[in-house]
Amino acid sequence: NAGVTQTPKFRVLKTGQSMTLLCAQDMNHEYMYWYRQDPGMGLRLIHYSVGEGTTAKGEVPDGYNVSRLKKQNFLLGLESAAPSQTSVYFCASSYSEGGPHTEAFFGQGTRLTVV
Amino acid sequence: GESVGLHLPTLSVQEGDNSIINCAYSNSASDYFIWYKQESGKGPQFIIDIRSNMDKRQGQRVTVLLNKTVKHLSLQIAATQPGDSAVYFCAENIAGTASKLTFGTGTRLQVTL
Repeated sequence: NAGVTQTPKFRVLKTGQSMTLLCAQDMNHEYMYWYRQDPGMGLRLIHYSVGEGTTAKGEVPDGYNVSRLKKQNFLLGLESAAPSQTSVYFCASSYSEGGPHTEAFFGQGTRLTVV
Repeated sequence: GESVGLHLPTLSVQEGDNSIINCAYSNSASDYFIWYKQESGKGPQFIIDIRSNMDKRQGQRVTVLLNKTVKHLSLQIAATQPGDSAVYFCAENIAGTASKLTFGTGTRLQVTL
């Protein structure tokens, strides 16, 4: 039972480079999320999706794009990385509201450093 | 090393004592609250949740108290163990908003032997 799996776990990028973070969940959850975690600031929502083919902006969406082509996958893209995007990124998933459980399940995180 | 949480408030508790971690939330429209535990290098892990129509909820060794009047949430851990050492986050959610969570800044719990 893998739950939420993120790849890669670590990455170092140069300013201006692009990359995609992959999130996969095997719980048949409708909702998926991308958060970033910075020191002393808790987790902040970047983008989220309420179902296959849908995406929406969260609290801090600038500089990121997302896609949800398959229900189980949620991709986070950085088109031109900046040092301000150095952070730990977490993917999460949950049932839709009214489902058997409401809490979100988180992946192990991706530590990204932009130099 | 782990850089997340460098400036977090810290609660030091002796093994076997009870721990109380507090959280103030700001949105009076929030109606669902969750406590997460985050160990070093790992993602947040669900501990316990409570809905706004409740004042108290108990789990295994944990109790969450909700005071909507002063917008305060607390997590009580009974008989704290070394394995409880982690950063604890409260999170809030409003029904009908796709279960998006707003997180607090977290509290680091250190259990001393």
